[in-house]
Amino acid sequence: EVQLVESGGGLVQPGGSLRLSCAASGFSFSRYWMSWVRQAPGKGLEWVANIKQDGSEKYYVDSVKGRFTISRDSAKNSLYLQMNSLRAEDTAVYYCARDNNYGLFDYWGQGTLVTVSS
Amino acid sequence: EIVLTQSPGTLSLSPGERATLSCRASQSVSSSYLAWYQQKPGQAPRLLIYGASTRATGIPDRFSGSGSGTDFTLTISRLEPEDFGVYYCQQYGTSPRTFGQGTKLEIK
Repeated sequence: EVQLVESGGGLVQPGGSLRLSCAASGFSFSRYWMSWVRQAPGKGLEWVANIKQDGSEKYYVDSVKGRFTISRDSAKNSLYLQMNSLRAEDTAVYYCARDNNYGLFDYWGQGTLVTVSS
Repeated sequence: EIVLTQSPGTLSLSPGERATLSCRASQSVSSSYLAWYQQKPGQAPRLLIYGASTRATGIPDRFSGSGSGTDFTLTISRLEPEDFGVYYCQQYGTSPRTFGQGTKLEIK
């Protein structure tokens, strides 16, 4: 059974940093692109970033470029999102999602809440 | 980027009725790379349909998708109580992948 379990969310002040993690199991992690997708409270879904199987390609939505960094560790079957210079508008539930290599998200974690507030 | 506009914003129907949800793209979605997701309160989204019309694993056949180019439709033939929630369309043919704003399907 495919499982994705996020952790690392919490309350952080504007300008602060946070690192999210996603532990993957039940599938061959190294064979799939992986993504982070976020959802602001009461709002819709927004793709944030994705990373190729070997980590050689990474892509970001414009609003987080230069502030967020996606990475992965295949030895640990884990996905990460380093978030720096956080803003109030980054407040959201962040989901880890398996990208089926065609750009759609076939499995999702339960999400971790990031709140940026003073 | 491709903007997806879903309609209606809210759909109020009773169990057993037919639901028709629309997703319109600001430009043509390449290769019908259009997906539909269902999200229930407090839960992660679940993939329902991909390639505009292919049901994902385990999705009941009362769910069907259709369309091409810029106009897509999700149809639920006979609503079950567990079908109520928010439905999102997503295009994955052009970067960045984008979602529609969602249609809330509520019990009448």
